[in-house]
Amino acid sequence: GAVVSQHPSRVICKSGTSVKIECRSLDFQATTMFWYRQFPKKSLMLMATSNEGSKATYEQGVEKDKFLINHASLTLSTLTVTSAHPEDSSFYICSAKGAGLNSPLHFGNGTRLTVT
Amino acid sequence: AQKITQTQPGMFVQEKEAVTLDCTYDTSDQSYGLFWYKQPSSGEMIFLIYQGSYDEQNATEGRYSLNFQKARKSANLVISASQLGDSAMYFCAMRGATYKYIFGTGTRLKVLA
Repeated sequence: GAVVSQHPSRVICKSGTSVKIECRSLDFQATTMFWYRQFPKKSLMLMATSNEGSKATYEQGVEKDKFLINHASLTLSTLTVTSAHPEDSSFYICSAKGAGLNSPLHFGNGTRLTVT
Repeated sequence: AQKITQTQPGMFVQEKEAVTLDCTYDTSDQSYGLFWYKQPSSGEMIFLIYQGSYDEQNATEGRYSLNFQKARKSANLVISASQLGDSAMYFCAMRGATYKYIFGTGTRLKVLA
C-alpha cells in the first residue's frame, strides 16, 4: 500500500525558533499533499493544499507567512512553522493523495510540536 | 459548502458485537467520495473504507461496511464482530469536486471485553 513518511514524530522547540516538518510519499508520486492540524480530541483542520511546483493554497485563517509550505518534488512537501509560539503547539499531520480520482488520502504518522 | 456531521462523540460496544457509527454529509456536488478513517491513540490515520457517490452497492472491506443512503445523505460505518483493537477514534471524511477532503468531528469507540 501507499506509504507516507512524516518526520520528525515529535519536536520540542523554544519560542521564536522555526521548525521544519517533512512529508514524503515513499512509493508513489503525490502531486497534491495536504497539511492538517489537530487539536487534542478534535478533528483534523485543513491548513493548506500543497501542489508540486506551485504555491500552496491556504485555508481561510491560516497565516501563510507563519506556516511556510514547499512542495519541491513529487515525493516531498515540507511545512515550516516560523517564529513558533506556544499556541502553535499541536499535532500536525500530512497526507498525500495517490493517483486516481477515488484514491484515498494516505497519512503520515503526524508530528507533535511543543513550543516552550 | 460541504459539511460532515458525526453526532456521536463516544460509543461503547461489547466485544464480538456489531456497532454502527453515524455520519451525515452535506454537499451540492454531484460527484463526491466518502471515506472512513481510524485513528488509534498513537495518532496515525488509517484508511478503512471508501464509497463513491455513484456507487450503487454499499462498500465492504472485511469487517467494515458502509451503509450508504444517498437520499438521506448518510454514510454510516458498520463494524461487525468488534475486537478490542477496534477501540479508537473514527473519522468520516468527504472529498468533493474541489478535491479537498473535510473531516467530521469524530466518534471515539470503546470496545468492552
